[in-house]
Amino acid sequence: DAGITQSPRHKVTETGTPVTLRCHQTENHRYMYWYRQDPGHGLRLIHYSYGVKDTDKGEVSDGYSVSRSKTEDFLLTLESATSSQTSVYFCAISFGLAENTGELFFGEGSRLTVL
Amino acid sequence: AQSVTQLGSHVSVSEGALVLLRCNYSSSVPPYLFWYVQYPNQGLQLLLKYTTGATLVKGINGFEAEFKKSETSFHLTKPSAHMSDAAEYFCAVSEGDSSYKLIFGSGTRLLVRP
Repeated sequence: DAGITQSPRHKVTETGTPVTLRCHQTENHRYMYWYRQDPGHGLRLIHYSYGVKDTDKGEVSDGYSVSRSKTEDFLLTLESATSSQTSVYFCAISFGLAENTGELFFGEGSRLTVL
Repeated sequence: AQSVTQLGSHVSVSEGALVLLRCNYSSSVPPYLFWYVQYPNQGLQLLLKYTTGATLVKGINGFEAEFKKSETSFHLTKPSAHMSDAAEYFCAVSEGDSSYKLIFGSGTRLLVRP
């Protein structure tokens, strides 16, 4: 168990409101990732982090921002939520002894509904 | 950019039958390849991975996959399906750069009939 938790697990919000999802890890891993999962699209990378204050964009980063002020926490923010951001969001961390193989451990997901 | 194609969004097999889930990738460099499984309302779990070396890799729960460079494929197989194998399966490829990002296929839902 890599000790990764996501919060909240479920959230319903309205269009135009800000939303922040939190990913917390207890294993001191350097790499953390936010993915979204949608039917027919698999998982798509939103943003990732390779250290404190070091982040970069993934393939679907528009409308999202992230922050990582300490190793254990990686926050995903929707500044103004839209219905197209209704999805299941997964946080992931690199896993195992060799962080450079891309092997990831996933949290249980945060289901976001934007009305 | 790398991409992953999984043929068949749904695959249905009888219990005890062979499971074959197909995955093809595009890559200009030797990739790292992965299969993940997702059970309902859970996150993804690693089934197996190929990095270097032996092209036939074995994973958990009796699954295995073979890396075929000439066919750019990494198909997942299991000789005999069990009811507990019903889940969604994702093939993924690492971009191979220092970010260690994974690119996922769209997933294949495996249904196992009694």
